[in-house]
Amino acid sequence: DAGVTQSPTHLIKTRGQQVTLRCSPISGHKSVSWYQQVLGQGPQFIFQYYEKEERGRGNFPDRFSARQFPNYSSELNVNALLLGDSALYLCASSLPQSTEAFFGQGTRLTVV
Amino acid sequence: QKEVEQDPGPLSVPEGAIVSLNCTYSNSAFQYFMWYRQYSRKGPELLMYTYSSGNKEDGRFTAQVDKSSKYISLFIRDSQPSDSATYLCACMEYGNKLVFGAGTILRVKS
Repeated sequence: DAGVTQSPTHLIKTRGQQVTLRCSPISGHKSVSWYQQVLGQGPQFIFQYYEKEERGRGNFPDRFSARQFPNYSSELNVNALLLGDSALYLCASSLPQSTEAFFGQGTRLTVV
Repeated sequence: QKEVEQDPGPLSVPEGAIVSLNCTYSNSAFQYFMWYRQYSRKGPELLMYTYSSGNKEDGRFTAQVDKSSKYISLFIRDSQPSDSATYLCACMEYGNKLVFGAGTILRVKS
């Protein structure tokens, strides 16, 4: 069975640019969450989506946005990139009514 | 103060040792407690998941939650070099976000 898949795996962007990261959840999982993991720290919650609706938002600026599609895949968009946005961006999916979250391999974003 | 505190280590042990990893938390609303293992440049892998206080065992791994002291632990018996990784504790209110500790780097020497 395919796990959570994220694309691209690595990305280098310049300050001020915009980036879109993609996530496909495990089959049957309807909830998708996004996390940012800065080197040496634990993941920090950015967004949670369930049935295409935003169910939670972490303490991140409005430059960060996301959406979930009818097939439950999701995109995370970050505008006006800053050097501090350099991190591993993780997507997690879970079954309805379940608290067990399964993570993808992440997208490593480097802003130069 | 962070909601979940975890000593970043690194923790270095010889092969075969019993490893104890710990976290404390401050939010009394947390009901679910997880341990994830993360290898370098990979996503976190769910190891153990417990609800409320008590112990849960899975092979060489035992997760322990004490809600009265807001303390969670992961024990690894007969540690192996392949256990070398970063271990992340995480707490959750039902249906809400995961709140992670900083992660403890574990090195098991052969």
